Order: sequence, then structure tokens, then C-alpha cells
Amino acid sequence: DVKVTQSSRYLVKRTGEKVFLECVQDMDHENMFWYRQDPGLGLRLIYFSYDVKMKEKGDIPEGYSVSREKKERFSLILESASTNQTSMYLCASSPGPSTQYFGPGTRLTVL
Amino acid sequence: TQLLEQSPQFLSIQEGENLTVYCNSSSVFSSLQWYRQEPGEGPVLLVTVVTGGEVKKLKRLTFQFGDARKDSSLHITAAQPGDTGLYLCAGADSGTYKYIFGTGTRLKVLA
Repeated sequence: DVKVTQSSRYLVKRTGEKVFLECVQDMDHENMFWYRQDPGLGLRLIYFSYDVKMKEKGDIPEGYSVSREKKERFSLILESASTNQTSMYLCASSPGPSTQYFGPGTRLTVL
Repeated sequence: TQLLEQSPQFLSIQEGENLTVYCNSSSVFSSLQWYRQEPGEGPVLLVTVVTGGEVKKLKRLTFQFGDARKDSSLHITAAQPGDTGLYLCAGADSGTYKYIFGTGTRLKVLA
């Protein structure tokens, strides 16, 4: 079975802090994604990566950056957390264009 | 901008009833996925449909991809409380690695 793990299930941070969310997949997938999920807005793509050290902006990249130094690991960075970044963050990996596998999510609260 | 609209947004039914959830777009997708998400968890892939007109069955769940690959439906026969959750459809954008998600249908099956 494909396994996608995220470093934390729940995280509470203060405004202005730098926040790192880590995602690891064990299936040698080329593609990895970061989404945020908010009530009424659905899943929105923040960034995705289709290879090591390659990244593409999604629909809402402002306030976020990403890092993919190894194929199995994709990190999402909030440079200076703000309250409007309180959300459920979901990582996914994909072997190709027709399937995504999601991690359990990180519920981030920024106070 | 590609959009996927799901209907209904909310559905509360009794155990044993049948239901259908719809996912519609004006855009063509190379494939379409259905996911189920439980509270506090990441979405879990149920099925991927690729060919226009394709029908796939997964026990009591029947998935159909429209002939023009712009819409899809999910039919559940004899719903059970274990079917409760948020159902999401997602379309793969032809030629890119991106996925477009619908806003979801929240299903509650009462015992």
C-alpha cells in the first residue's frame, strides 16, 4: 500500500513564526503536492513538484514556499505565519496523471 | 478556469436508501477521481475513471464517467452508516500535473 506521512497531525503556532510542514512518501512517486482545505472552499493547490528540486506554483502560493531535496520528501514552509493560514494542510503524491494518494493532514492553527 | 461543481452539497439519508452524487464541469478532463474523506483525515481514493462512458463498480458504489468526459456520478445502493463522509471528485487537467477538486458532498447515513 502507498503510504504518505505528514510530520504532525496538529500544530499550533504564533503569528510571525516560521513553520515547516513535512511530507514523506514511500512509493518512489515523481509528483508531490501541497493543498490546503477550508470549509466552503474545498481543496486548493498551493505548490506541486514533479521532480527533485523542481517546483511549480499552484493556485494560492502567496505566503508559502516549498523544498524538495529528495524524491521522497516534500516540505511546505510558511515564512511568517499569519492567522489566515489557519487551515487543514494536505500532502499528496502521485505516480502519474490519474491518481493521487493523500496523507492524513496537518491541522494548523495560527494564533 | 476549470471548475468542478458537486451536487448536492449536503445529504442526510436513512440506512438502506439509495443516493446519487453528481460532479459537473464545462471542461474536459483526461481522468476523474472520486475520494471519500472522514473528519480529521486525508481523502482516500475510491476510483479513477478514464474513458468516456466508463462505468466502474466497487461493491455498493457505482461510478460513471460522462461520454464527453466533463461529468461524473457516484451512486450508492443501500447506504450504510459506514458510508458517512465527505465525497470529493477531482479532475486531472490534460497536459499538466494539476488536479481540480470539487467542493464536495457531505453525506450522513443515519442508522
